[in-house]
Amino acid sequence: EAGVVQSPRYKIIEKKQPVAFWCNPISGHNTLYWYRQNLGQGPELLIRYENEEAVDDSQLPKDRFSAERLKGVDSTLKIQPAELGDSAVYLCASSTIPGGETQYFGPGTRLLVL
Amino acid sequence: GENVGLHLPTLSVQEGDNSIINCAYSNSASDYFIWYKQESGKGPQFIIDIRSNMDKRQGQRVTVLLNKTVKHLSLQIAATQPGDSAVYFCAETVGSNYKLTFGKGTLLTVNP
Repeated sequence: EAGVVQSPRYKIIEKKQPVAFWCNPISGHNTLYWYRQNLGQGPELLIRYENEEAVDDSQLPKDRFSAERLKGVDSTLKIQPAELGDSAVYLCASSTIPGGETQYFGPGTRLLVL
Repeated sequence: GENVGLHLPTLSVQEGDNSIINCAYSNSASDYFIWYKQESGKGPQFIIDIRSNMDKRQGQRVTVLLNKTVKHLSLQIAATQPGDSAVYFCAETVGSNYKLTFGKGTLLTVNP
């Protein structure tokens, strides 16, 4: 079974530029999560989807971050404009149900903002 | 300000020894716990989980112990191998709340 797929794996941009990350969850997983992981720290949740609905985006910086999961399968996370402090690894995870069941993570997209 | 996040706790062991990685969690209401392994350049990988109605759970070469009284979780790795070298995170969640809260990672280095 294929795991969570993310692309690109690496991205280098200049500040104020836009950037987008793509995630395809494990087949059959209806819940999708986006996390941000800063160097040396654990992942922090940005947004959670159940099917196509964003059920918790309370920690998403909405002034510059947006996300979508139009058909309830793959998802895109966008930053516009990027700031230096956005440099981090952006991880996507999926699970079959919400509520603490195991989340399976993708390899992440490593973003460097110059 | 000081970025304490860069200074991970570290554990260095010899190949073949047993490893014990500890985690203190903060929320007494947490009832589901997961250990993740994260290798350099990869996403966290599920290792083992435990619910709060248990105090021990065993997997292949790994054992998780939960002490709710002192809010402490540990991961024991038997016969540690070089491939076990990674950062290990514990994570907790509450009831039907999906939200995983990750603890501070521990860097495990296995010396051949």
